[in-house]
Amino acid sequence: QQQVKQSPQSLIVQKGGISIINCAYENTAFDYFPWYQQFPGKGPALLIAIRPDVSEKKEGRFTISFNKSAKQFSLHIMDSQPGDSATYFCAASRAQAYNQGGKLIFGQGTELSVKP
Amino acid sequence: NAGVTQTPKFRVLKTGQSMTLLCAQDMNHEYMYWYRQDPGMGLRLIHYSVGEGTTAKGEVPDGYNVSRLKKQNFLLGLESAAPSQTSVYFCASGRGTTDTQYFGPGTRLTVL
Repeated sequence: QQQVKQSPQSLIVQKGGISIINCAYENTAFDYFPWYQQFPGKGPALLIAIRPDVSEKKEGRFTISFNKSAKQFSLHIMDSQPGDSATYFCAASRAQAYNQGGKLIFGQGTELSVKP
Repeated sequence: NAGVTQTPKFRVLKTGQSMTLLCAQDMNHEYMYWYRQDPGMGLRLIHYSVGEGTTAKGEVPDGYNVSRLKKQNFLLGLESAAPSQTSVYFCASGRGTTDTQYFGPGTRLTVL
């Protein structure tokens, strides 16, 4: 019930294309869904996050789509660039539950490669 | 403003040895976390702290201990290292449950 399943494991996209990464969860108590971006040799950094009261959130070329009934959410990267090549992690937490301490449950990660 | 720093960056241990990983943050964050990252498994929470003097177990706490004696520091200890603890360890900190977690650069640990 605590798992977050992420797919695909790896993704190759041409420059200018759309990258799509999907995540699914089981625990309906999750109420905060962030995406983290990690470059080689670095720690993850927050990219964008969504709460379940909205179905979509867009920040620049990055969009999260959220489907509460299907318990799925996805990251779309429009006009993908070589600089977007990184590993992307989805995550989920029970943010409103103070005793959970903001614990993030991460997906397995997707290694994105954008070819010039 | 250094953010989150981790010491050391790399370490090689022999089975049975002990060591402590140090995490320090200068953002006055209440919450701090230790994760391990293994290929194909994402990041898994080891232990976390919601304030000075508090600690709690995460998903994979066995074989690790932690202490948060000062608000800015979070220590992760391995009492008797095992090869299964070979991993990259990340520390993170944040202001609250819905806040961004800021990650350190990681410590690559190899246990032979």
